[in-house]
This record gives sequence, C-alpha cells and structure tokens, in this order.
Amino acid sequence: DQQVKQNSPSLSVQEGRISILNCDYTNSMFDYFLWYKKYPAEGPTFLISISSIKDKNEDGRFTVFLNKSAKHLSLHIVPSQPGDSAVYFCAASAHGGSQGNLIFGKGTKLSVKP
Amino acid sequence: NAGVTQTPKFRILKIGQSMTLQCTQDMNHNYMYWYRQDPGMGLKLIYYSVGAGITDKGEVPNGYNVSRSTTEDFPLRLELAAPSQTSVYFCASRGQVPGYGYTFGSGTRLTVV
Repeated sequence: DQQVKQNSPSLSVQEGRISILNCDYTNSMFDYFLWYKKYPAEGPTFLISISSIKDKNEDGRFTVFLNKSAKHLSLHIVPSQPGDSAVYFCAASAHGGSQGNLIFGKGTKLSVKP
Repeated sequence: NAGVTQTPKFRILKIGQSMTLQCTQDMNHNYMYWYRQDPGMGLKLIYYSVGAGITDKGEVPNGYNVSRSTTEDFPLRLELAAPSQTSVYFCASRGQVPGYGYTFGSGTRLTVV
C-alpha cells in the first residue's frame, strides 16, 4: 500500500517553460513533505521542503505547494533548465511516528529539452 | 566536508555469499538510515538507528542486519546473499529535527548472481 504516490513516471518539458511535478499521499499523519533530486549514479539530494502548517514554500526557481484537504503537493520549477533533468522523489514524514522516517514515492523522471 | 561516505561503490556477489556495506558520516548526526532502491521504485527503508547502540527495523529488513557501535558508522550486513537483494543501497543521516533533509551517500550498486 503506497502512502506516497507519484503517478507520472516521466515528464518532458521545453527549456524555459514551467515543470510541474505532482505527488499524492494517503497518510493524514504526515506533517513534513520534501522533494529530492537524483542524478544517475549519485545519491538523492535535498531540494525543498514544506511543513503542513504552510501551503507554499519558495526557494529560487523552486516552489512547493501543499493542498492538505486534497492530500496533494506539487513542485514547480520556473524556468526549467537542462540541468534540472533528473529523477525527482517526493517524500513525507510524520513527527509522531517512526522517528521521522521518510516515506518515498517512486519518482518522476524530468527531461528538460533545450 | 565528506558528508556520508559509502563503500564499496559496486559489488558482485554470488548467491549465499556474505558482505558488509560500509557507511560513515562526519556530521555528528544521531539518525542514520539504510534504504534500497529497485529499478522504477522509490527508496524503501531497511533499517534505521536513532543513536549509537540503538537500531530498529524498517519496511524491508529481512536478509539484513545492522549495528551502530559509534555515532559515525552504520554498517549493513548481508549474511546469505540472494538475487532478490540485487539493488542500489543508499545510506543517509540527519540531524535532530524530523522532516528536514537527509544527507545521502552516493550509493552501493550490488548484484547477486
């Protein structure tokens, strides 16, 4: 039973356009949500996070939106650059359980074409 | 800053062999984790540790063992390798506050034949 779902295995966008990566979750106890970026043959790197007390968090070209009623979050990248091409993982954790362990989605492979 | 260091980067094992995947971090993090990533799948938690001397099972612990004798090191042991353990293994650590970014190692690609 997947608690964190990324239903799009891949996404292709043109350089300069907006990339929108989506993530849904089922566990209402989750209160922190994170996005990780992963290049081939490397470990995931932390990109941006959001607490459940917020509905938006912005860091440069990256913005994460959280819709708690829909149990949905999204990552917006504007403008997209070829160097953004990577696999993006959505992850969630619950303060109250399992020592803050992260539950990961399956990832979305983003390709940004020049 | 080394961060999280994993060794080896690649390994081929025969069925039934044993090995230890090494993980060390230099950030004085209490929390450490072992994940595995199968093709097309997300990362699944194998074991975790909240501090030296304390370990606990994650989602997929069968076939693995861990120990945490120091804050820095968190080795993962495979006793009897099976083809189902062919995967990429990532070690990670984090500081005290839950929900903040983990720091991951670069991974160990293990093939069991």
